[in-house]
Amino acid sequence: GAVVSQHPSRVICKSGTSVKIECRSLDFQATTMFWYRQFPKQSLMLMATSNEGSKATYEQGVEKDKFLINHASLTLSTLTVTSAHPEDSSFYICSARSPKGETQYFGPGTRLLVL
Amino acid sequence: GQQVMQIPQYQHVQEGEDFTTYCNSSTTLSNIQWYKQRPGGHPVFLIQLVKSGEVKKQKRLTFQFGEAKKNSSLHITATQTTDVGTYFCAVNDGANSKLTFGKGITLSVRP
Repeated sequence: GAVVSQHPSRVICKSGTSVKIECRSLDFQATTMFWYRQFPKQSLMLMATSNEGSKATYEQGVEKDKFLINHASLTLSTLTVTSAHPEDSSFYICSARSPKGETQYFGPGTRLLVL
Repeated sequence: GQQVMQIPQYQHVQEGEDFTTYCNSSTTLSNIQWYKQRPGGHPVFLIQLVKSGEVKKQKRLTFQFGEAKKNSSLHITATQTTDVGTYFCAVNDGANSKLTFGKGITLSVRP
């Protein structure tokens, strides 16, 4: 099956710093990628849809200036959590839409801990 | 958008017992997908159902889409400890390929 990677897998940072998470589709081109956030024992919540070459579409309640998304190529999308605070600590998961658009392939996730 | 509900959120079974869980909606769904997330892992796509009354099997897992396309079920025959994890149903909205996930059901299996 298709492979999606995320880097880093785990990050600990101080409050106020910015953290960049990369999401790559390794064996297919993904014009559309998605970013989710998952708190412990909860479901995945879609944060934004990342489209190659255009601005991301954010879900209601997600601050676009805080969660910067860049999809500069067909295989890479990045999520930058700016001025991170402890409440931003979560499991961030990206996914890439399959070439036929019928499903999504998920990355392994990034665990962010903000101290 | 289309919404799906999964209740309960947790279920515990004895190894070897069968397990069934449901995904329900108040509206007709265009499709339903099922994902499995192991503890500490990420969601992995299991199956997609599109047709009314559709039934698909994967080894000990049986997935069914209701006749009215308002619910779906996942049945696991003779559970094993490897079945442990959270099972999510999700709806693909088609136009934007966005997925809306249910809350999931976390299955634990007593050996």
